Amino acid sequence: KQEVTQIPAALSVPEGENLVLNCSFTDSAIYNLQWFRQDPGKGLTSLLLIQSSQREQTSGRLNASLDKSSGRSTLYIAASQPGDSATYLCAALKTGTASKLTFGTGTRLQVTL
Amino acid sequence: DVKVTQSSRYLVKRTGEKVFLECVQDMDHENMFWYRQDPGLGLRLIYFSYDVKMKEKGDIPEGYSVSREKKERFSLILESASTNQTSMYLCASSRQGRRNYEQYFGPGTRLTVT
Repeated sequence: KQEVTQIPAALSVPEGENLVLNCSFTDSAIYNLQWFRQDPGKGLTSLLLIQSSQREQTSGRLNASLDKSSGRSTLYIAASQPGDSATYLCAALKTGTASKLTFGTGTRLQVTL
Repeated sequence: DVKVTQSSRYLVKRTGEKVFLECVQDMDHENMFWYRQDPGLGLRLIYFSYDVKMKEKGDIPEGYSVSREKKERFSLILESASTNQTSMYLCASSRQGRRNYEQYFGPGTRLTVT
């Protein structure tokens, strides 16, 4: 059974810092890995999706990498801003599971002024 | 832009009531999903539908049923609500295919069962 872990559970950084969020998964047989953002009391917003054949994806100040062999993905946020404060979730799509994602429990990020 | 809407943001129901949560997507997606989200447990899949009238159980289907009569609409039904079903419910949709397609989420329904 696929298990997805995100460490740390919470992170506080001053504005302007670059930061890395970590995601690890136990089964490397995945189709893709998706990163989401969730604001308090709201739904999930898709940030980046990395296919299993890719090593990284970039969108603006966000860069996500994938290393299937080690079962790890990272989300890099450059020049963090207070508006980046949210919970960040990763989710892995395992092969043969017909579109069913397995989610991590998230990293709650606070960017302070 | 993909839009997934849910019928209510907040809902308060009594134990034993029948509860309907509605989800509508406007992008002609084949797949639709219902999750619940609880602190410390993350998101867990309740049910999944890959076509009209087709459904598949997720990880925690007990106490729930679903209905998909039209492609754009996926309903979650709590036959007899219980307090342990108090949670945030999230609906999502995606195109068919396992490799490439992102899941898009609605805003969520915060259900409280008293």
